[in-house]
Amino acid sequence: GAVVSQHPSRVICKSGTSVKIECRSLDFQATTMFWYRQFPKQSLMLMATSNEGSKATYEQGVEKDKFLINHASLTLSTLTVTSAHPEDSSFYICSAPGHRDTGELFFGEGSRLTVL
Amino acid sequence: AQSVSQHNHHVILSEAASLELGCNYSYGGTVNLFWYVQYPGQHLQLLLKYFSGDPLVKGIKGFEAEFIKSKFSFNLRKPSVQWSDTAEYFCAVKNTGGGNKLTFGTGTQLKVEL
Repeated sequence: GAVVSQHPSRVICKSGTSVKIECRSLDFQATTMFWYRQFPKQSLMLMATSNEGSKATYEQGVEKDKFLINHASLTLSTLTVTSAHPEDSSFYICSAPGHRDTGELFFGEGSRLTVL
Repeated sequence: AQSVSQHNHHVILSEAASLELGCNYSYGGTVNLFWYVQYPGQHLQLLLKYFSGDPLVKGIKGFEAEFIKSKFSFNLRKPSVQWSDTAEYFCAVKNTGGGNKLTFGTGTQLKVEL
């Protein structure tokens, strides 16, 4: 199946700094990628849809200035958590539809962000 | 807005026991339904999906799920679980008019004991 890779898998940063998380589709092109956030013992919450060549579409309640998304190429989307605070600590997961329109999403391994 | 409910948050079973995990969704239109599984330390991966046709769908590793439209349900089943089925299971729904956006349930942590 298609492979989606995230980097870094774990990051610890100080409050007030910015952190960038990369999501790559390794063997297929993805014009769309999805960024999810998962709180402990809770569901994956869709944050935004990343669109190659255009602005990301954010879900209601997600601060677009806080969570900057850039879909730089057909294989790379980045999520930057700006001026991070401890409440931003979470597990961030990206996903992309596969190269065949099967309706299946392929997920990255996730990135654990801890803000001190 | 659509939502997905998974009623069992933690399930502990002995090997060879039968499994059924509940999933209900709220959306009045046409939906596609999915079960994803996340084994410890691994990516989320697709277990099975329903788009149309036979409401009983079979997935990998002996899992199956039945779509009951009148009950808005898509329960996951396996007749005999194995220790290697220990994982977290997520039900997800996509409304057919909503692109590829999935709405996930809260997940069920399954532990299978030897």
